[in-house]
Amino acid sequence: NAGVMQNPRHLVRRRGQEARLRCSPMKGHSHVYWYRQLPEEGLKFMVYLQKENIIDESGMPKERFSAEFPKEGPSILRIQQVVRGDSAAYFCASSPSGRGSNQPQHFGDGTRLSIL
Amino acid sequence: AQTVTQSQPEMSVQEAETVTLSCTYDTSENNYYLFWYKQPPSRQMILVIRQEAYKQQNATENRFSVNFQKAAKSFSLKISDSQLGDTAMYFCAFMKPLTQGGSEKLVFGKGTKLTVNP
Repeated sequence: NAGVMQNPRHLVRRRGQEARLRCSPMKGHSHVYWYRQLPEEGLKFMVYLQKENIIDESGMPKERFSAEFPKEGPSILRIQQVVRGDSAAYFCASSPSGRGSNQPQHFGDGTRLSIL
Repeated sequence: AQTVTQSQPEMSVQEAETVTLSCTYDTSENNYYLFWYKQPPSRQMILVIRQEAYKQQNATENRFSVNFQKAAKSFSLKISDSQLGDTAMYFCAFMKPLTQGGSEKLVFGKGTKLTVNP
């Protein structure tokens, strides 16, 4: 069984460019969570999506960040006009029903975003 | 809002010995879940153990066990017979379940860097 797939593993962007991070959940999982890990920090929740719906975006910055999980295809985390402070590791996790308490979230290997 | 505190930024232990990592949390909820995740140098997030708050019995998974003190809001991880492969960052995490009106997002502490020495 393929796990949660994130790509790219590493992404380098210059200030002002756009960054697109992709996450394909495990087969049979329809709930996706995005987390950000700054250097020397723990993971911080950003957004929780189900297919075609944003359920909880309380951790998303108000500007420049957006996320989607279309009916077909991977979930996308999009960062517009990137700045140095966006440099971080971005992790995606999936679960089959959103009831992670009984079915733990499975994490991808993360995308390390570096801003020049 | 819930918060998770790990007061030990770094710890070290000799191979085959036992080590305990501390975690405290703050919540007004009565029903919730607690987790320990391991992040080795490869940076993958690996679930180590989980505890349901309404269960009084401490969870165990092979060499890993927890000491869950609900009244004290403490959730420490004990690693017995430490192995070199246990070297990693360890994160404590809190989850408010859907049944309690949460979105089941994980709230993480800042982590403890554990080094197992040969």
